[in-house]
Amino acid sequence: DTGVSQNPRHKITKRGQNVTFRCDPISEHNRLYWYRQTLGQGPEFLTYFQNEAQLEKSRLLSDRFSAERPKGSFSTLEIQRTEQGDSAMYLCASSLGGVSYGYTFGSGTRLTVV
Amino acid sequence: QKEVEQNSGPLSVPEGAIASLNCTYSDRGSQSFFWYRQYSGKSPELIMFIYSNGDKEDGRFTAQLNKASQYVSLLIRDSQPSDSATYLCAGTHASGGSYIPTFGRGTSLIVHP
Repeated sequence: DTGVSQNPRHKITKRGQNVTFRCDPISEHNRLYWYRQTLGQGPEFLTYFQNEAQLEKSRLLSDRFSAERPKGSFSTLEIQRTEQGDSAMYLCASSLGGVSYGYTFGSGTRLTVV
Repeated sequence: QKEVEQNSGPLSVPEGAIASLNCTYSDRGSQSFFWYRQYSGKSPELIMFIYSNGDKEDGRFTAQLNKASQYVSLLIRDSQPSDSATYLCAGTHASGGSYIPTFGRGTSLIVHP
């Protein structure tokens, strides 16, 4: 296993279109996190899965955003009716959980809404 | 509101010097703290984590945690130009059976030859 994989790396879409991103975590990691990062800011937490259960969502995650992790493996993040303000880097991280384990990030998906 | 605060910098140090990066956090329930390095256009990569008061050393890096003062720092000894990057501090809070990191905005470090 070579780490956390995210696809696509880049996505350009027109305002109002729907987009979906995929994250494949490290295989033995049962925790999966989605973050959003804009220029000059740190990653902002969006949502978190333990296995297939979505256990926490940020208030940043409006009803246009939905995330799934079927069967506790890969995860998808969908944004409906995209807006220019959705332009950002979307990062996925996975972890074994517990206070002493780190979080491994994927390379991210850069979304540009035009 | 769980917040992690960092000075955005840039912090500029000469090659070979010690770079000192600082971070404060507001949530006294935070369990562990992480330092990530992020090069421009890349994703964050983990440098160190610490969850006990005191110092933790790993090669040229030393993380320091003071829970009473809600303060975390990262020292980089013998700084190299390749250390030039943004350094992100994160603190975790317990939720849903796991720990969720909250990140600061990052400190830009420039190491000049």
